[in-house]
Amino acid sequence: RKEVEQDPGPFNVPEGATVAFNCTYSNSASQSFFWYRQDCRKEPKLLMSVYSSGNEDGRFTAQLNRASQYISLLIRDSKLSDSATYLCAVIGAYNQGGKLIFGQGTELSVKP
Amino acid sequence: EAQVTQNPRYLITVTGKKLTVTCSQNMNHEYMSWYRQDPGLGLRQIYYSMNVEVTDKGDVPEGYKVSRKEKRNFPLILESPSPNQTSLYFCASSLSSWEIAGGNEQFFGPGTRLTVL
Repeated sequence: RKEVEQDPGPFNVPEGATVAFNCTYSNSASQSFFWYRQDCRKEPKLLMSVYSSGNEDGRFTAQLNRASQYISLLIRDSKLSDSATYLCAVIGAYNQGGKLIFGQGTELSVKP
Repeated sequence: EAQVTQNPRYLITVTGKKLTVTCSQNMNHEYMSWYRQDPGLGLRQIYYSMNVEVTDKGDVPEGYKVSRKEKRNFPLILESPSPNQTSLYFCASSLSSWEIAGGNEQFFGPGTRLTVL
């Protein structure tokens, strides 16, 4: 079983739709959680860190569920520019040298 | 402009011909790391460095070497490349590994697409 798993998609949604991604992680001692965005095989860029209390940034909301070991990303009012691959990433227990463990990414395509 | 740079961006080479991919950051970051990205496998860490002269293996270090003689540079060396090292490589940096764990960003370079024939 992979340490971090995501549904690879693709998710094809119309503009204005609300879309949600989930990401599960296997190490219950994982301590830090992130969502990165990657455009067309360019470098990943941090979208949001995910905090225990959940956090929101404009149209984006991230949640952490430690009991069920998953993190989620909700995108409201999707824009064409949201089309990208969304990567969840986790840092395991004891920091593990700052190593980010990535899921394989979920592809989102927002259509007009 | 704060950035991580990598060179070359694209490289096609042949099996066994030693190559080096350079990585440089201008943000005075202590922590640097190399990842490779392959379809269906996501990004996997190759090596990382907590500071100058301190390096350690990540998840997939076989066939790679690194060095950290200066804070800003973290080259990735393939002594004898093989076709299974064909991949998209990313260098990344951050203030420190603890900054990453605290929720701060790890900055990625633009990537190097390597093909080994």
